[in-house]
Amino acid sequence: RKEVEQDPGPFNVPEGATVAFNCTYSNSASQSFFWYRQDCRKEPKLLMSVYSSGNEDGRFTAQLNRASQYISLLIRDSKLSDSATYLCVVPVSGGYNKLIFGAGTRLAVHP
Amino acid sequence: GAVVSQHPSRVICKSGTSVKIECRSLDFQATTMFWYRQFPKQSLMLMATSNEGSKATYEQGVEKDKFLINHASLTLSTLTVTSAHPEDSSFYICSARLAGGLGETQYFGPGTRLLVL
Repeated sequence: RKEVEQDPGPFNVPEGATVAFNCTYSNSASQSFFWYRQDCRKEPKLLMSVYSSGNEDGRFTAQLNRASQYISLLIRDSKLSDSATYLCVVPVSGGYNKLIFGAGTRLAVHP
Repeated sequence: GAVVSQHPSRVICKSGTSVKIECRSLDFQATTMFWYRQFPKQSLMLMATSNEGSKATYEQGVEKDKFLINHASLTLSTLTVTSAHPEDSSFYICSARLAGGLGETQYFGPGTRLLVL
């Protein structure tokens, strides 16, 4: 099983739609999680951190299910500018806190 | 937020040459910097963890003699791709972890696109 797995997509949705991405992780000891956004040919940018059961920031909601070892990202009222690749990231505890990146889920929002 | 810069942003070189990429934390000190590589349509893969004043820790499968890392100060880490070959063409991204910072937040540089002919 991969350390971090994501549905690669692409998810093609109209503006205003609600879309959800899932991510599963293999290390049950992981305590914190991140969603990053990466635009084409750019570096990843932190979108949200998830330390407990979930986190909400405007149109974005991240939820964590420790029992099933998955994290979800919900985007409401999609905008054209939300088009990007969303990366699920899980730190490896201990040492220097390496980050393990999922392969990413592509989202394309169309008019 | 914390700013990390990389130089150069893109480089094209001939096979067999060496390429040095710089990663700088501009407004904070970073005891730890990370070097990643990303091939097209793939995710970021950690290559090595660079700590100021000590040897870098390389991930399995990454040749330390080919990818030389130097972290000489709290604001600068360099990655040198020695004797680059076409298969080394990739997007190289560094990140920096805030010294004394809480959690695992890393700040990413804008990346360096390497094309080896």
